[in-house]
Amino acid sequence: QSALTQPASVSGSPGQSITISCTGTSSDVGGYNFVSWYQHHPGRAPKLMIYEVNNRPSGVSNRFSGSKSGNTASLTISGLQTEDEADYYCSSYTGSSTLVFGGGTKLTVL
Amino acid sequence: QVQLVESGGGVVQPGRSLRLSCAASGFTFSSYAIHWVRQAPGKGLEWVAVISYDGTNKYYADSVKGRFTISRDNSKNTLYLQMNSLRTEDSAVYYCVRERWVLVVTWGMDVWGQGTTVTVSS
Repeated sequence: QSALTQPASVSGSPGQSITISCTGTSSDVGGYNFVSWYQHHPGRAPKLMIYEVNNRPSGVSNRFSGSKSGNTASLTISGLQTEDEADYYCSSYTGSSTLVFGGGTKLTVL
Repeated sequence: QVQLVESGGGVVQPGRSLRLSCAASGFTFSSYAIHWVRQAPGKGLEWVAVISYDGTNKYYADSVKGRFTISRDNSKNTLYLQMNSLRTEDSAVYYCVRERWVLVVTWGMDVWGQGTTVTVSS
């Protein structure tokens, strides 16, 4: 199972909005609504930000939103804040009782 | 509070074995499926395995199938990962991670441990 495709890096200024894409196939992202997004600050445990495409866990800011179109899922962060600077990973169920992650995107808040 | 604490990491030679443990507290461990996820140095996250809440169903990534075994002891609130025939590419931080929902696997993981480091080197 190949990793989902994410841009290696994205950047934005405080207050702006950014979108991180996550492209898979009809066998994973496109075939199921089990897409999640994780925020990972190096040295800390990853944090679930979005589950099942567009659901936010309790405690996650509503500045984070998820969506999906075809084989591509997206994470949008609005009103960028400096503390949003981190690595972001998408994941998707693959239909064969396995999970695949994206390669990760480094978000820089300028 | 809800917590997962991994242990058992260390330095091991290629071809040898290691067993990781993950102690759970603050929630009903026996009601949740649990995953192992790893991150090699400088690399992204990689899913390793999952075990159902009652231990009856276990699934593995192709990269570890046949070498790693996931198990759990619900009476001890503990998850295990037995790693055999270790390879240098298995070197990583290993996280145990709780499923988002009770009793089912929906492939979203909401509670992560801090990780334990495994280094496979001669």
